[in-house]
Amino acid sequence: QVQLQESGPGLVKPSQTLSLTCTVSGGSISSGSYCWSWIRQPAGKGLEWIGRIHTSGSTDYNPSLKSRVTISADTSKNQFSLKLTSVTAADTAVYYCAREAYSSGWYADYWGQGTLVTVSS
Amino acid sequence: QAVLTQSSSASASLGSSVKLTCTLSSGHSTYIIAWHQQQPGKAPRYLMKVESSGTYNKGNGVPDRFSGSSSGTDRYLTISNVQSEDEADYYCETWDSNTQVFGGGTKVTVL
Repeated sequence: QVQLQESGPGLVKPSQTLSLTCTVSGGSISSGSYCWSWIRQPAGKGLEWIGRIHTSGSTDYNPSLKSRVTISADTSKNQFSLKLTSVTAADTAVYYCAREAYSSGWYADYWGQGTLVTVSS
Repeated sequence: QAVLTQSSSASASLGSSVKLTCTLSSGHSTYIIAWHQQQPGKAPRYLMKVESSGTYNKGNGVPDRFSGSSSGTDRYLTISNVQSEDEADYYCETWDSNTQVFGGGTKVTVL
């Protein structure tokens, strides 16, 4: 059974860079027909997809965040990471990492438990 | 890009059934969607994917009372014999143009 666990600072100052890591167990991030994604949820609101990294290393990003987002992977540690630059209060949210599987389209089939990131001075 | 539309809320009495709808935007009738359940204070959980044919495939450990179906641009999640633990937000998700899209979610209240 695949398990994902987010980690990183819970508080980030405005204009700084948010950095999170997702550690995956029970499966390799470098094999299979999967990709690895980040999704966020502001308090009381819905889910917003941020982006993903494929096993090839290629990435896809939400067009609304693309200029500020970088997703990368460290296969030796079976981890993938999110960097979001120039954060504002609007980036305050619970951030989830997830595995996406493919069957006529990508969809998340395993989720991490989420980590709250607050942007505040 | 595909848009997913969900009703904001639904309710069901304990032991009854409820059918949630996720509507794909025009021109996307062949798209698959996935349903996710988010209980209060918890992370989302994958329930199933639903194809345009109506075929659905559930995730590990998803109870038998959850089922999926499809008609045109509508994708459905039916919860039979509703239990108190089914009170949650339910989101649908699809894939289009190398991005993922989520519906706004339906809050299910168990009466």
